[in-house]
Amino acid sequence: EAEVAQSPRYKITEKSQAVAFWCDPISGHATLYWYRQILGQGPELLVQFQDESVVDDSQLPKDRFSAERLKGVDSTLKIQPAELGDSAMYLCASTRTGGAGTEAFFGQGTRLTVV
Amino acid sequence: SQQGEEDPQALSIQEGENATMNCSYKTSINNLQWYRQNSGRGLVHLILIRSNEREKHSGRLRVTLDTSKKSSSLLITASRAADTASYFCATPEQAGTALIFGKGTTLSVSS
Repeated sequence: EAEVAQSPRYKITEKSQAVAFWCDPISGHATLYWYRQILGQGPELLVQFQDESVVDDSQLPKDRFSAERLKGVDSTLKIQPAELGDSAMYLCASTRTGGAGTEAFFGQGTRLTVV
Repeated sequence: SQQGEEDPQALSIQEGENATMNCSYKTSINNLQWYRQNSGRGLVHLILIRSNEREKHSGRLRVTLDTSKKSSSLLITASRAADTASYFCATPEQAGTALIFGKGTTLSVSS
């Protein structure tokens, strides 16, 4: 069964360091999302891609976060510099189309701890 | 911002009992989805109900949608220990297609 792949699963980094997360969506899925989930909360959207284009990055803290999906396939989310408040689960999801009535498939997430 | 709000925040039941979780949302929607998340894992899609549907079933799951009250409920019948997880409702954001999630209900089923 096709899955959304994310790596690493866990990452511990010191504050002010740079950190990067990788996501490979299900093959053929044009839409890719990055979400951040703080413990005990629901996922919150950071950025949405349609193929290689950013559709929505209004909630992405652009002073320190960046995201790219250069060839419209896999994607990288970067934080530089990391802050203590960035400790969270970072989830990647993909959908076949961008349609509003589409089921999203999630990866297992990257648990980031900033110390 | 979060569109949906689940209620209760936490629910503890015994195996075999039914579990009911509620979700309220703020703006008009064309569909509402429910997801499950096991501890430390990603989210798994459970069921999607469209705005013109009032009830939908999938195995032991029953979802209702009341657009006049802007609310939905998820019923899990004959709960099992394996149902222990967090459950989230999600709706597409108004201006786009990304899903907006509530804070979730944490369900604990003990044997």
